[in-house]
Amino acid sequence: DVKVTQSSRYLVKRTGEKVFLECVQDMDHENMFWYRQDPGLGLRLIYFSYDVKMKEKGDIPEGYSVSREKKERFSLILESASTNQTSMYLCASSLLSTGALGEAFFGQGTRLTVV
Amino acid sequence: AQSVTQLDSHVSVSEGTPVLLRCNYSSSYSPSLFWYVQHPNKGLQLLLKYTSAATLVKGINGFEAEFKKSETSFHLTKPSAHMSDAAEYFCVVKSNTGKLIFGQGTTLQVKP
Repeated sequence: DVKVTQSSRYLVKRTGEKVFLECVQDMDHENMFWYRQDPGLGLRLIYFSYDVKMKEKGDIPEGYSVSREKKERFSLILESASTNQTSMYLCASSLLSTGALGEAFFGQGTRLTVV
Repeated sequence: AQSVTQLDSHVSVSEGTPVLLRCNYSSSYSPSLFWYVQHPNKGLQLLLKYTSAATLVKGINGFEAEFKKSETSFHLTKPSAHMSDAAEYFCVVKSNTGKLIFGQGTTLQVKP
């Protein structure tokens, strides 16, 4: 079974803190994604990566950065956390495929609260 | 550019009655389409995917979806709802660069 593991289920951070969310997948997938999920807005793509050290901005990259130093690990960084970044964060991975075979597998999510 | 619209934010059905969750997509080429389900406090799980081999796609737990190119739709159906089907459902289109684009989600409520 594919496993996508996010390092924390729940996090509480203070405004202005630098926050790291970690994601690891064990299936040698090329693509990795970070989404945030908010009620009524569905999942919105923050960043994605299709290879080591490669990254592309998604729809809402402002206030975030990412790091992919190894194929299996994709980190999301909040440089200076703000209360409007309180959300559920989901990591996903998939094969480098443009077809339906490239389905994505998701982690359990990290619920981040910024106070 | 690809996009997906889920036409209902909330659907309520009685147990044992049919389920219809509506999804329309926009794509400039033949799309890859998926339905995911998210149960409370659980991760996202793939229900089914459109592979272009057949327009009627069968998924897990008795769900199926029909791809209709003329209507740009990919509606999710189930003949008989079960209490355990209560969850949030997402229609997803995959871009030609591999990005997954999600609809806003439909919350399915199943009443006893």
